[in-house]
Amino acid sequence: GQQLNQSPQSMFIQEGEDVSMNCTSSSIFNTWLWYKQDPGEGPVLLIALYKAGELTSNGRLTAQFGITRKDSFLNISASIPSDVGIYFCAGLHVDSNYQLIWGAGTKLIIKP
Amino acid sequence: SAVISQKPSRDICQRGTSLTIQCQVDSQVTMMFWYRQQPGQSLTLIATANQGSEATYESGFVIDKFPISRPNLTFSTLTVSNMSPEDSSIYLCSTWTRQETQYFGPGTRLLVL
Repeated sequence: GQQLNQSPQSMFIQEGEDVSMNCTSSSIFNTWLWYKQDPGEGPVLLIALYKAGELTSNGRLTAQFGITRKDSFLNISASIPSDVGIYFCAGLHVDSNYQLIWGAGTKLIIKP
Repeated sequence: SAVISQKPSRDICQRGTSLTIQCQVDSQVTMMFWYRQQPGQSLTLIATANQGSEATYESGFVIDKFPISRPNLTFSTLTVSNMSPEDSSIYLCSTWTRQETQYFGPGTRLLVL
């Protein structure tokens, strides 16, 4: 099925570094959702975005809904070991019947 | 938000058998979804289960293999029938809330031998 283009696929960073990942699409979305998934768990919603240009923070996480409505980014500031996991973006088209389109995920690994 | 629980959390099954996964939501929701996530992959939608109607299956998934029940607004089941090793996966249920967000259960990890 259709997927969003999520990058990078994986990231190796030092504790304390900032992290940035993004998702792009050729089509327009009405909603962008960012999730984190730990091994063996279900995805946990981090941030939800509903308006073009919207910038939302959740603690050290910041996400923005692109002005063109075709992209979104997620930033994590001052990474800590518990940030390790897989981050997924998901978007909702206007006529999608509430079925999300998913990115392939960004795996975050923090070097000791 | 919505709190979602799933049973069982994990299981190991023999090929040819069936497993029914239960999903319970702490509030009434119209839409419930069942996903499959194979190791190292993103989520793939199996079907949408709305109360009072037949489940709607995505391409590649059929009712005979993945029958779904939705008896009320807080509960749904997914059965994985006549299992094979290729069915080994994490199965996730989710809901779409009135706040226009989608929440997930903790998942059921299935291993078919």
